[in-house]
Amino acid sequence: SQTIHQWPATLVQPVGSPLSLECTVEGTSNPNLYWYRQAAGRGLQLLFYSIGIDQISSEVPQNLSASRPQDRQFILSSKKLLLSDSGFYLCAWSRQLGNQPQHFGDGTRLSIL
Amino acid sequence: DQQVKQNSPSLSVQEGRISILNCDYTNSMFDYFLWYKKYPAEGPTFLISISSIKDKNEDGRFTVFLNKSAKHLSLHIVPSQPGDSAVYFCAATSLSGAGSYQLTFGKGTKLSVIP
Repeated sequence: SQTIHQWPATLVQPVGSPLSLECTVEGTSNPNLYWYRQAAGRGLQLLFYSIGIDQISSEVPQNLSASRPQDRQFILSSKKLLLSDSGFYLCAWSRQLGNQPQHFGDGTRLSIL
Repeated sequence: DQQVKQNSPSLSVQEGRISILNCDYTNSMFDYFLWYKKYPAEGPTFLISISSIKDKNEDGRFTVFLNKSAKHLSLHIVPSQPGDSAVYFCAATSLSGAGSYQLTFGKGTKLSVIP
């Protein structure tokens, strides 16, 4: 069966510090991968998606970047965090073929001080 | 512009009764609709989906209805159980320019099932 892992579960960072959140998927090959953010009182907003290694699409202009160095690894990064980067970050995967449900990790709660 | 709308932020239902969660959408290009369930501090869990060529899909206690002319879908949970208490997200997909399917989420409805 397929599993998705995100870490860390919670993170407290000062403004201006760098960020690296990791996500890995097991049990499937060549998945589509996604990063979402849920800000307080709001729905899930798609940040990045990837259909393959080093193929990243950005949905909204922001202070964050994403990379996919391996087929089942997706990394969310920032060089300098802003207060507005606080939120709940979720990684998800889906099969490539056709219209498929996305399956989510347990998320990272990021607090910027 | 919110393309998927869940107008009720919360809903309370007595255990054993029916829960009806509603969702409206504006984008006629959406062709696949999903419901996710989310507990606090966890990621959303896929619950049930429906293709735009159908008007009903049933899975155990969960049934999703789609009314394309009204651009409306609903999730029925019968009978409701206390373990169903969670936030429910409606989502819809459309094909992106890069060839992958993009999910657009509503803001969620918090369901509380009272024992």
